[in-house]
Amino acid sequence: ELKVEQNPLFLSMQEGKNYTIYCNYSTTSDRLYWYRQDPGKSLESLFVLLSNGAVKQEGRLMASLDTKARLSTLHITAAVHDLSATYFCAVDLPNSGGSNYKLTFGKGTLLTVNP
Amino acid sequence: DSGVTQTPKHLITATGQRVTLRCSPRSGDLSVYWYQQSLDQGLQFLIQYYNGEERAKGNILERFSAQQFPDLHSELNLSSLELGDSALYFCASSVAAGFFNEQFFGPGTRLTVL
Repeated sequence: ELKVEQNPLFLSMQEGKNYTIYCNYSTTSDRLYWYRQDPGKSLESLFVLLSNGAVKQEGRLMASLDTKARLSTLHITAAVHDLSATYFCAVDLPNSGGSNYKLTFGKGTLLTVNP
Repeated sequence: DSGVTQTPKHLITATGQRVTLRCSPRSGDLSVYWYQQSLDQGLQFLIQYYNGEERAKGNILERFSAQQFPDLHSELNLSSLELGDSALYFCASSVAAGFFNEQFFGPGTRLTVL
């Protein structure tokens, strides 16, 4: 069974600082997604990483994927308060027949950016 | 706005009752997924439909069932409700069920069982 682990689960940081959220998964996959969720709101797709070495950047967020290490990172640069949210990674794996894929989510990282 | 719609936004009901949650996927999306999110369990995948057929099952209780209709909207039926069923229920959709699986989430239905 695929396990997806994020750490840290809680992250409190000051504005202007940098930090990285890690997402480890237990079974080989070359497709990983990052989502953002604001309190009481829906999940918003941030990044889609589809191959080993993939790197995507949007504003102060940069995501990367290392399929050999089964690791994805979400790096935050010069954090601002608006980035406060819960961030989820999700890994895509096919079923045994390969005809259907299912996302497995990590528990999420609650990020709080303080002024 | 993801293009996925869910109704109702909020639902308050009593234990033992039955409710139906409705989801309309994004235009062109054939796959619909249902998730339950609660503080203690996190985000749990319940079930997936693709073009009217059930494709995958996750941690869905026997008291829960779902279906996808010919117009591709989906309904999640929850029966014999218990206090522990109180949660946020999300529907998500994607283009297909195969290679590329980026899912777009609806706004959710918050279910409160009293």
